[in-house]
Amino acid sequence: AQKVTQAQTEISVVEKEDVTLDCVYETRDTTYYLFWYKQPPSGELVFLIRRNSFDEQNEISGRYSWNFQKSTSSFNFTITASQVVDSAVYFCALSDYTALIFGKGTTLSVSS
Amino acid sequence: DGGITQSPKYLFRKEGQNVTLSCEQNLNHDAMYWYRQDPGQGLRLIYYSQIVNDFQKGDIAEGYSVSREKKESFPLTVTSAQKNPTAFYLCASSPRGGSQETQYFGPGTRLLVL
Repeated sequence: AQKVTQAQTEISVVEKEDVTLDCVYETRDTTYYLFWYKQPPSGELVFLIRRNSFDEQNEISGRYSWNFQKSTSSFNFTITASQVVDSAVYFCALSDYTALIFGKGTTLSVSS
Repeated sequence: DGGITQSPKYLFRKEGQNVTLSCEQNLNHDAMYWYRQDPGQGLRLIYYSQIVNDFQKGDIAEGYSVSREKKESFPLTVTSAQKNPTAFYLCASSPRGGSQETQYFGPGTRLLVL
């Protein structure tokens, strides 16, 4: 069965610390897609990144970076030099045939 | 600006009442989705539609109904058969259906039972 596990329920850091959010997935598909979304207190999910299973290159976008390792079925997300505005719930998701399977999310709190 | 709108932001339901949540998109997307989010939980799929006049049940469709008469609209009705409707409801759309598509989300509707 398809499954996404985000073992970290809550993480608290102080501004400028680096933080890594873990995501482990299970799938029997050979072709699949992984996503990260950010949910700020307003509630709307904001798309951050999509990665397909054939592309294992790490990606960096500003202070955000993603590490995809097929061998360990992980797709971890690192925020460098965290800021208060990064405080949100972050979801990792795996593509199913028609929709997305979400992890339970990690709540990140960044204090000043 | 293109995007997805959901209304109302908050909705109150009385026992035995049906209520309808609105979702509209002007992104010209073919596929639309409804998810339910409970506190401390991830999102779970209620219904999805890949084209007009066609929709499919998701994992938790019982107690819900939808229609897709127009490409831009995908309303969700929470019926009296849904015994625990209190949740945050999110609508999403994607250019086409299929696992490779990125889904974009609306601002959500919070449903509370009186």
